[in-house]
Amino acid sequence: NAGVTQTPKFQVLKTGQSMTLQCAQDMNHNSMYWYRQDPGMGLRLIYYSASEGTTDKGEVPNGYNVSRLNKREFSLRLESAAPSQTSVYFCASSDGTDPGKLFFGSGTQLSVL
Amino acid sequence: QKEVEQNSGPLSVPEGAIASLNCTYSDRGSQSFFWYRQYSGKSPELIMSIYSNGDKEDGRFTAQLNKASQYVSLLIRDSQPSDSATYLCAVIYNQGGKLIFGQGTELSVKP
Repeated sequence: NAGVTQTPKFQVLKTGQSMTLQCAQDMNHNSMYWYRQDPGMGLRLIYYSASEGTTDKGEVPNGYNVSRLNKREFSLRLESAAPSQTSVYFCASSDGTDPGKLFFGSGTQLSVL
Repeated sequence: QKEVEQNSGPLSVPEGAIASLNCTYSDRGSQSFFWYRQYSGKSPELIMSIYSNGDKEDGRFTAQLNKASQYVSLLIRDSQPSDSATYLCAVIYNQGGKLIFGQGTELSVKP
């Protein structure tokens, strides 16, 4: 039972580099989410996708783009990484019937130097 | 005002005591409330949900909701060292159905 799988687990970037965080779920969930977590800040929603083909901004979307490739996959792209984007990134999914019941991936620790 | 606020802690309680974690929220129209537990270096996991005013019990955990006061709490009875974690309060906001988290309260249960 894989659940929600995120790759990579760790990444170090230089300022200005780009990268894509990958997320896939095998629970046939409609909704998928990207959060970032910084010390003392809790989890902040970056983008979410309520269903295949739709995406919406969350609390902190600036500097990020997303793609809902299909029902299983939801990727997060940093086009030009900045030190302020150093964080732990979590992907999550839910079946949509109760958007508060999220299943999280194991996270990606990203450092931007 | 932050949309979901928690005492940042850390909260330290002795083993066997009751731990009380508190959360306030700003959107009066919110209807759904959740508590997640996050062990250090791990991802959050859902432990409780509550939708109606009053108390909801699940084992040693009790969630309490007071919509008039815009307040939700989590009580952990007979606290164990294995309960040491960060507890995140989360609220579904009326607009757009997004799940918004508080900053989390770190709980430490001392043997």
